[in-house]
Amino acid sequence: SQQGEEDPQALSIQEGENATMNCSYKTSINNLQWYRQNSGRGLVHLILIRSNEREKHSGRLRVTLDTSKKSSSLLITASRAADTASYFCATDRGTGNQFYFGTGTSLTVIP
Amino acid sequence: EAGVAQSPRYKIIEKRQSVAFWCNPISGHATLYWYQQILGQGPKLLIQFQNNGVVDDSQLPKDRFSAERLKGVDSTLKIQPAKLEDSAVYLCASSLGLANTEAFFGQGTRLTVV
Repeated sequence: SQQGEEDPQALSIQEGENATMNCSYKTSINNLQWYRQNSGRGLVHLILIRSNEREKHSGRLRVTLDTSKKSSSLLITASRAADTASYFCATDRGTGNQFYFGTGTSLTVIP
Repeated sequence: EAGVAQSPRYKIIEKRQSVAFWCNPISGHATLYWYQQILGQGPKLLIQFQNNGVVDDSQLPKDRFSAERLKGVDSTLKIQPAKLEDSAVYLCASSLGLANTEAFFGQGTRLTVV
């Protein structure tokens, strides 16, 4: 079964704007990861945040994690047309590095 | 560094036929995963190997799906017999298997069952 749910399901913004997407999950985790999937391509890892971390940055990406609310958010600043893709959160729970993906947010950045 | 290799990229079969997918993970990666991604959904974990042992296959439909990783490197996923609802992209991924490390994904095999 899916571990997480992303919100919104779809998001459309103008180039240069910021995009925020959220992920909620159900059980305790070791870490939470965000992946991007372009049309017709495989999944690409973006960023990993551990359960004892609250915020992490990587270039134009900012991820927050609130374990008390079992939620995470991904902020993409100054979006570009090339950011158009589906974004998935994946939770790593248990003891075996098992990654469970959410339902995804489809982001469209309009040039 | 070479990525995760999968073949074939596309496959069309009739229902009740069998099909096999192949995956070659990144060299040195102990953990290998097979995911099923139905159109419009997130990837669903089917099976996870650590070296050549199965860690988790709780979501693998074992009446028709099977997977093996005989020498702890390459892996094959087989479906026999296929059903219409098996139409999906089958993604292979690998990781070092250490705590707090990411998975690297192949391009996937798009299966269409008609």
